[in-house]
Amino acid sequence: QQQVKQSPQSLIVQKGGISIINCAYENTAFDYFPWYQQFPGKGPALLIAIRPDVSEKKEGRFTISFNKSAKQFSLHIMDSQPGDSATYFCAASIGNFGNEKLTFGTGTRLTIIP
Amino acid sequence: DSGVTQTPKHLITATGQRVTLRCSPRSGDLSVYWYQQSLDQGLQFLIQYYNGEERAKGNILERFSAQQFPDLHSELNLSSLELGDSALYFCASSHSSGGNNEQFFGPGTRLTVL
Repeated sequence: QQQVKQSPQSLIVQKGGISIINCAYENTAFDYFPWYQQFPGKGPALLIAIRPDVSEKKEGRFTISFNKSAKQFSLHIMDSQPGDSATYFCAASIGNFGNEKLTFGTGTRLTIIP
Repeated sequence: DSGVTQTPKHLITATGQRVTLRCSPRSGDLSVYWYQQSLDQGLQFLIQYYNGEERAKGNILERFSAQQFPDLHSELNLSSLELGDSALYFCASSHSSGGNNEQFFGPGTRLTVL
């Protein structure tokens, strides 16, 4: 049972453009939604995270938009740069102690072209 | 650098063998998580330890086991290895207090079973 669905599977964006990756979840008990960035041969690195009490969180060029009623959240990368080319994973977890395991989406391979 | 260390970086072994993967969490982190990343299954949670005790179990095979030692480092033991066990194995750590679910991933161990 895939509890977090991620799209698109791959994405090509021109340098300077906006990259948008979407995720949808099923389990309404999820209350922590991080995004991870992974470069080839490296471990996932925490990029930005949001909790359902806010609808948007921005850190630099990265923004998470969260729609609790639709059970969807998305990552926006503004002014996309070639260095942003990586695989991005959304994830979700339940906040109570002992349930912090992350359920990941299937990943989006982002390529930024000059 | 996340502060989580994993050894070895690469491991090549034969079917039927047993291997041990080692993880040292970030200083001060009490929780250790093990994840498996494969092409067909994506990033899957295996098991979580908190301060030496097993806290949560995911899709971990009976051939796999883990433990967390008093110094908080953790080991993942994989036995009776099969070709399908070839994957990247990541360890992540978090402080796991007050609902803070930030998990920081190590660089991973690439296991190849021949």
